[in-house]
Amino acid sequence: GENVEQHPSTLSVQEGDSAVIKCTYSDSASNYFPWYKQELGKGPQLIIDIRSNVGEKKDQRIAVTLNKTAKHFSLHITETQPEDSAVYFCAAIRSGAGSYQLTFGKGTKLSVIP
Amino acid sequence: GAVVSQHPSWVICKSGTSVKIECRSLDFQATTMFWYRQFPKQSLMLMATSNEGSKATYEQGVEKDKFLINHASLTLSTLTVTSAHPEDSSFYICSARIPTRAGTRSYEQYFGPGTRLTVT
Repeated sequence: GENVEQHPSTLSVQEGDSAVIKCTYSDSASNYFPWYKQELGKGPQLIIDIRSNVGEKKDQRIAVTLNKTAKHFSLHITETQPEDSAVYFCAAIRSGAGSYQLTFGKGTKLSVIP
Repeated sequence: GAVVSQHPSWVICKSGTSVKIECRSLDFQATTMFWYRQFPKQSLMLMATSNEGSKATYEQGVEKDKFLINHASLTLSTLTVTSAHPEDSSFYICSARIPTRAGTRSYEQYFGPGTRLTVT
């Protein structure tokens, strides 16, 4: 089955700096890669995603890149703000005819220091 | 994005009792919903996949007689924790997937706010 590795497990940055979280996946058939933000005591919130036919996607301060050859994808947050502090999960999904399986990374706790 | 709600947001029950958690898709119909369990500082663990009108599919190690799942309509799935014990205390989160475009096999998955269960 799919295995998703996520690094780092914790990340502290100064407000205004950039944060980068990296994930690798094992199943070359995975074709959809969402990122979720989970605040304390709440459910995960989909913040950005990328499909296997795209190399990069950006939405305001957040961006995701995908390298299919190396089987890794990354989340980039620029100009970080205290409200960006949360746990971020990457995931990989193999979605297609007759199959759908979402596998999460172990999460990265991001702390943005004012 | 799509909205998924859960009720209750938190519940405390006594050991041996049963607890029902509701999951609703508010602005879309979900033929497939998922139930996850999350322990503190850990990732989400898939418990079961709930399909409307059919029996749920449970992950290995999850007791189907203990965690009863009913997906009676396209907008509602319920998880009942039967004969709850303190070790069942956890954060339970439901999720629903919707196609990004009608008729495609391309999906997005949205999560509810979670239910904190404490069994005393």
